[in-house]
Order: sequence, then C-alpha cells, then structure tokens
Amino acid sequence: EVQLVQSGAEVKKPGESLKISCKISGYNLMNYWIGWVRQMPGKGLEWMGLIYPNDFDTRYSLSFQGQVTISIDKSINTAYLQWNSLRSSDTAVYYCSRGGSSSPFDYWGQGTLVTVSS
Amino acid sequence: SYVLTQPPSVSVAPGETARITCGGDNIGTKGVHWYQQKPGQAPVLVIYSDHYRPSGIPERFSGSDSGNTATLTISRVEAGDEADYYCQVWDSRSDHDVFGPGTTVTVL
Repeated sequence: EVQLVQSGAEVKKPGESLKISCKISGYNLMNYWIGWVRQMPGKGLEWMGLIYPNDFDTRYSLSFQGQVTISIDKSINTAYLQWNSLRSSDTAVYYCSRGGSSSPFDYWGQGTLVTVSS
Repeated sequence: SYVLTQPPSVSVAPGETARITCGGDNIGTKGVHWYQQKPGQAPVLVIYSDHYRPSGIPERFSGSDSGNTATLTISRVEAGDEADYYCQVWDSRSDHDVFGPGTTVTVL
C-alpha cells in the first residue's frame, strides 16, 4: 500500500527555520517524482516544486524559488521541505504528493499545518 | 506562465449533473488531472489524463478535454460530492505543474 506520512503540525516565530518531512512507503521511490503543494488558509492549491529521487533533479515554482528547499534522503525514503527564515505569510498547510511533471498526483500525504506567528 | 481558469462555484441539485470547466490556452493538447478536496482533507485524484478514473472512483465522474476547455462531469450528483475541485496540468514550456484556482460544488 502506497503511503505518504507527513510530520506533525508546527508553530514557529518569524525568522525561525523549519524542516518538515514526508515518509514514503509502498512503492519504488526511484520511479516517481515527489511534489510539494501549499494551501494557505481558505485558499486553493499551489504547486511549489518537485524532486526526482533517482537523480535528485529538483524544480521550483518561480513563486517559491529561493524561498524553500526541497530535498530527499533515499536511505530512509523521506522527502523534506525546508525554510531558512519563516514569514507569517508561510502559514499554510503543506502537502507532499507522489507525481508531477506530466504524471498525476495520485497519492497524497495528510498535510502538515505550519503556523508562523510572533 | 501557464494559467488555468475555473468558475468559483457550481450549484447542482441531487441527482442532476454538475459540469466544472477548466480553461487554458490549447488545454486540449495537455493531459488534465482533476482533484476533489473536502474540508480538512487532502486532495483526492478523481480523473487523470483527461478522462481516466483511478481505482475506486465512481463511474459518475468523467472528464473531457478539447480546444481551450477541459470539463469534469459529475453525473447523478450526491450530497457526498460537495467539495472543492481543482484541475491541474503540466506545462511543458516552463516544466512546471499548474493548478487551477478551484471550483466549489454545492449540492442544493
């Protein structure tokens, strides 16, 4: 069974760093892209970027380029989304998902709520 | 960058047919995927590559794609279909995935 299990909710202050995770199981990690999607409160889905585990090829939306880092640790089948300096506007639910780059996002994590507030 | 448009809302009576459109330049040449999202839940893929249904998705959900418009059709609408629906494509020019703004389906 394919599963993407994300880390728990986080409450952070502006300027702090954060790394959230997405533990992947149930299929060969190398064969599919892993994407990250943001959903701000009451808003729609925004594609942030992708990583291809086989060769670490990474793509970012122009809106998120330089603001976040997408990475993966193949040894523990876990993808990450990282911020060096959070802003209040980063408050959102973040989803990881299998797919992207012409393939559908067919499996999703449960989402991680990130709250940034002073 | 590639832009997708969707109507903000669609209202439909139970048992009727809901049609949700997704507009984009020559979207008929792209593979369109559709997602259903209920409050507090992660999105669920309901149609991929224009018209294919993933396992477990009812036959009431169908998709089409031609010209500048893709359409998700929900036949014999049920109360449980009330949700937000998003279309999504991969834009080969930018090598980016793009989501539409979403459509809220309300069952009257």
